[in-house]
Amino acid sequence: QVQLQQSGPGLVRPSETLSLTCTVSGASISNDYWSWIRQPPGKGLEWIAYMYYSGSTNYNPSLRSRVTISVDPSNDQLSLKLSSVTAADTAVYYCARLLGTAMMDYFDLWGHGTLVTVSS
Amino acid sequence: SFELTQDPAVSVALAQTVRITCQGDSLRTYYASWYQQKPGQAPILVIYGKNKRPSGIPDRFSGSTSGNTASLTITGAQAEDEADYYCHSRDNSGNHVIFGGGTKLTVL
Repeated sequence: QVQLQQSGPGLVRPSETLSLTCTVSGASISNDYWSWIRQPPGKGLEWIAYMYYSGSTNYNPSLRSRVTISVDPSNDQLSLKLSSVTAADTAVYYCARLLGTAMMDYFDLWGHGTLVTVSS
Repeated sequence: SFELTQDPAVSVALAQTVRITCQGDSLRTYYASWYQQKPGQAPILVIYGKNKRPSGIPDRFSGSTSGNTASLTITGAQAEDEADYYCHSRDNSGNHVIFGGGTKLTVL
């Protein structure tokens, strides 16, 4: 059974960098695309970025300048760094596996979510 | 703003059929996938591709596309189907992932 276990601080101070890790168990991170998605309280889903283990990445244009996503195949881990955070970055952050073809893709597995609050 | 447009809220009587729609130009090219999210939980995939259901998703959930509109249909809605539903596809360029704004489904 494939599981995504998220870890990272739940509180980040304004202007600092948010850092989260997602550990994949039951599968290898080296086979698929992996993504970060967030959801502000009471609002909808927002895609942040996705990455293939080999290094190919794709970012939400609205967040690209502040986001770094990386994969560590040796530990089956996906990481997210979001710099210069503000209160608007307060959200539940999810990691997810992205599967699909050229004409469709879908997030078939999701982490449990990590609520990150930006506050001093 | 979203390039995929969903009605904010829809209601259905118990055991009746409901259709939740998602509109966007990119749906003429890319299939939508659909996610169910209950309060305090992560989203789960319910429909993807032309009309595919992941293992464990009841067959009362189905998907279709016509022109620029993708639809999620629940035939015989149950109380446990009350949730938020999100569509997902690509933007018009095909380069980026986008989500609809979500539809809150109430089962009466």
